[in-house]
Amino acid sequence: SQQGEEDPQALSIQEGENATMNCSYKTSINNLQWYRQNSGRGLVHLILIRSNEREKHSGRLRVTLDTSKKSSSLLITASRAADTASYFCALNSGYSTLTFGKGTMLLVSP
Amino acid sequence: GAVVSQHPSRVICKSGTSVKIECRSLDFQATTMFWYRQFPKQSLMLMATSNEGSKATYEQGVEKDKFLINHASLTLSTLTVTSAHPEDSSFYICSAPGTGFMETQYFGPGTRLLVL
Repeated sequence: SQQGEEDPQALSIQEGENATMNCSYKTSINNLQWYRQNSGRGLVHLILIRSNEREKHSGRLRVTLDTSKKSSSLLITASRAADTASYFCALNSGYSTLTFGKGTMLLVSP
Repeated sequence: GAVVSQHPSRVICKSGTSVKIECRSLDFQATTMFWYRQFPKQSLMLMATSNEGSKATYEQGVEKDKFLINHASLTLSTLTVTSAHPEDSSFYICSAPGTGFMETQYFGPGTRLLVL
């Protein structure tokens, strides 16, 4: 299956703490993307990391990619209550279609 | 960034009726759009790829006669759930790839369908 597998399935932290989510996959990829979904809403693209990249930053987000282990991590630093959402990794294998993982539900308590 | 809208945002219908969901790219043209289905606390499952001016490409296991897709213009794709049943109740989300390498996708806000 091309589907990514995120872990943990759910994560509960306090404001100010860092949140780390992981994504593992089985096939080769062109790039890996992370998306955020607030409850009952559409997805918002957060960051894209290509297969030849190892780390990428965007504001409080840091994404790593290890193609030898077929895994990626998303780190949110200094979390805020507004970061509460579900986070999905999505695999792009060279076409415009994406295959989504099952997601991590993040709860950030004030 | 690019904006994709969906209409309606939620719909309740009786079993056996058909429901049409619209997906529009508001400030860009999209020759391709994607339709996903998402059950509660589950991942997004790609149902079909909508292609402007040609037939949609359906994923394995998705009934093309039940989920009719029409992509009549560069800014509009529609998904019609025909003869809806309670098991079709779900969250339907569309997306369109961005320009350039078309690698990222811009998502609509989703349509919550409840079939009674």
